[in-house]
Amino acid sequence: AQKVTQAQTEISVVEKEDVTLDCVYETRDTTYYLFWYKQPPSGELVFLIRRNSFDEQNEISGRYSWNFQKSTSSFNFTITASQVVDSAVYFCALTKVGQNFVFGPGTRLSVLP
Amino acid sequence: EAQVTQNPRYLITVTGKKLTVTCSQNMNHEYMSWYRQDPGLGLRQIYYSMNVEVTDKGDVPEGYKVSRKEKRNFPLILESPSPNQTSLYFCASSLTGFNYNEQFFGPGTRLTVL
Repeated sequence: AQKVTQAQTEISVVEKEDVTLDCVYETRDTTYYLFWYKQPPSGELVFLIRRNSFDEQNEISGRYSWNFQKSTSSFNFTITASQVVDSAVYFCALTKVGQNFVFGPGTRLSVLP
Repeated sequence: EAQVTQNPRYLITVTGKKLTVTCSQNMNHEYMSWYRQDPGLGLRQIYYSMNVEVTDKGDVPEGYKVSRKEKRNFPLILESPSPNQTSLYFCASSLTGFNYNEQFFGPGTRLTVL
C-alpha cells in the first residue's frame, strides 16, 4: 500500500526565514509520481510541482526548491526567504499510473511578519 | 476561463436524504476525481475516472456513488448521507487518463449532514 507522511503538523517562522517541509513516502512500485500542492487560507488547491521516480534532480523555482531522495524515500520542500503570502497548508501526494492518489495529512505553515 | 466548477458550494442536509454534488470541467480533461478533506487527514480520494464510462474506487468509496456518462461531468452521489460524511469535498480533473498530470481542483463543497 502507498502512504505519505508529513510529520510536521504545523510550523511557524518569521518572515525571511528559510523553512523546509518534510515528506516521506512509502511505495513498492519502481515507477511513481510525487506532487506538492498548496492550499492558502482562501481554500483552493494549487499545484506546485510533479516529480517522477526516475528523475532525482533537485528543482528550483524562484524561492521554492525541492529535494527528491529515493534512498530515504523523501521529497522535501524548501521555501527560501519566506513571505507572509507563503502561509498555507502544504500537501505532498503520491500516485502510480492507473492508481489512486494518496495525499499526506498536510503541514500548516504560518509565516509571521 | 478554464475551470472546474462544483455545485452547491455549501449544503446542510439531514441523515438519509439523498443528495448529488455536481462537478463540471471545461478543459476537455479525461481524468476526474473526487476527494474529501478532513482535519488531520489531508485529502482522501473517494472515486476517480480515467475516462468516460470508466470509474474506480479510491481509498474511501463507502457511502458514495459516481457516474461518468460524459467527459465534462462527474457527479458525486450520496444516496443515504450520514453524519460521518460531513466534510469538505473537492472535485479535480487532469488532462489525460494517466493520472500523473497536474490536477486542477474545484472550489470545494462544504457538506454538513445532521
